[in-house]
Amino acid sequence: AQKITQTQPGMFVQEKEAVTLDCTYDTSDQSYGLFWYKQPSSGEMIFLIYQGSYDEQNATEGRYSLNFQKARKSANLVISASQLGDSAMYFCAMRPSYGNNRLAFGKGNQVVVIP
Amino acid sequence: KAGVTQTPRYLIKTRGQQVTLSCSPISGHRSVSWYQQTPGQGLQFLFEYFSETQRNKGNFPGRFSGRQFSNSRSEMNVSTLELGDSALYLCASSAITGTGANVLTFGAGSRLTVL
Repeated sequence: AQKITQTQPGMFVQEKEAVTLDCTYDTSDQSYGLFWYKQPSSGEMIFLIYQGSYDEQNATEGRYSLNFQKARKSANLVISASQLGDSAMYFCAMRPSYGNNRLAFGKGNQVVVIP
Repeated sequence: KAGVTQTPRYLIKTRGQQVTLSCSPISGHRSVSWYQQTPGQGLQFLFEYFSETQRNKGNFPGRFSGRQFSNSRSEMNVSTLELGDSALYLCASSAITGTGANVLTFGAGSRLTVL
């Protein structure tokens, strides 16, 4: 079974500053994928970034980057230059690389960006 | 390109009734997954359909069922509603299933309230 842990309390971030959201995971799979999604108050889950377990480079997508430390089983999301529109819940999720589309999600991190 | 469309967006039912939720995936996507989101349990996988076949099922009672049609549209049904079924039900689609960086695109969800 896969388990995702996100334990940070709600965070207030100053606009234009960077924020790091922690995610640790536990799995017996050797090949897996890690995802971060953003959920604004509207409810829709928005894909942000993906990291494969065998990817040697940390993933980056615009202002989002993933600090992947496989040995520590952590996949922290870094948002650079925060914007007011970044206020949302952020979810870390994982899935085995092969077999199905079943995602296991963490409980999420609440981020509020203040001007 | 149209996104994932879920209907209805909001609905209120009473205990004992049944409900059917609909999901239209992105054109060309053959995989549809369903998730339940509650404040207490977070995001939990319900089931996944690919080419009209259920590929995977989460740990939910038999009251929760689903199906997928030949045009990839999917429905989920909950019978004999309980108060604990109140949740945001999210549908996600993807072109393929169970491979690498295959990203799930989510709809805005159907918010069910059971009175």
